[in-house]
Amino acid sequence: DAGVIQSPRHEVTEMGQEVTLRCKPISGHDYLFWYRQTMMRGLELLIYFNNNVPIDDSGMPEDRFSAKMPNASFSTLKIQPSEPRDSAVYFCASSPEGLALNEQFFGPGTRLTVL
Amino acid sequence: AQSVTQPDIHITVSEGASLELRCNYSYGATPYLFWYVQSPGQGLQLLLKYFSGDTLVQGIKGFEAEFKRSQSSFNLRKPSVHWSDAAEYFCAVVEHYDKVIFGPGTSLSVIP
Repeated sequence: DAGVIQSPRHEVTEMGQEVTLRCKPISGHDYLFWYRQTMMRGLELLIYFNNNVPIDDSGMPEDRFSAKMPNASFSTLKIQPSEPRDSAVYFCASSPEGLALNEQFFGPGTRLTVL
Repeated sequence: AQSVTQPDIHITVSEGASLELRCNYSYGATPYLFWYVQSPGQGLQLLLKYFSGDTLVQGIKGFEAEFKRSQSSFNLRKPSVHWSDAAEYFCAVVEHYDKVIFGPGTSLSVIP
């Protein structure tokens, strides 16, 4: 398996633009997680899905952020409109059923810069 | 809510020296604990995990960690550090069986 795939790897955009980050989890994994990593706040869980259903989105910072998982092999994280404070590295991770007993497999991340 | 603290923001060790990275957690019941490593420009990779049983767990890359309930700690150790171990290390605890809480991380530098 190729592991968790994220695209794009780098994104530079201007304030006010819409940004869409994409993730393909490992086949057969039931859980998908979106994280944001910054120097100030560390690694934050934004939202996670189980079997394509959003379970906990309490980490989504505000309504400008939205996430979808239309099928088991694809998820998106959208920011609209983007702001400079959204600049961060965004990670997608997936895990087999039973998170408490299984590791998360992380993608390489998308480095987002909002000017 | 559970929390994870890593008291050391940054540690520098010489190659070949021993290493111990500290992790403390707050949780009432038996925790599920993990250590992850993040190399520069990469995602996180699992080093080891503790669920129950033997309190000393072995992981990949020669790392081990010891769970001490009395101290609420899960410290990571390695007897001899290699230059390739320079990375960011995250301790994590599972909350409510579905959510992993990560600590702030410890950055490790290795001097040749």
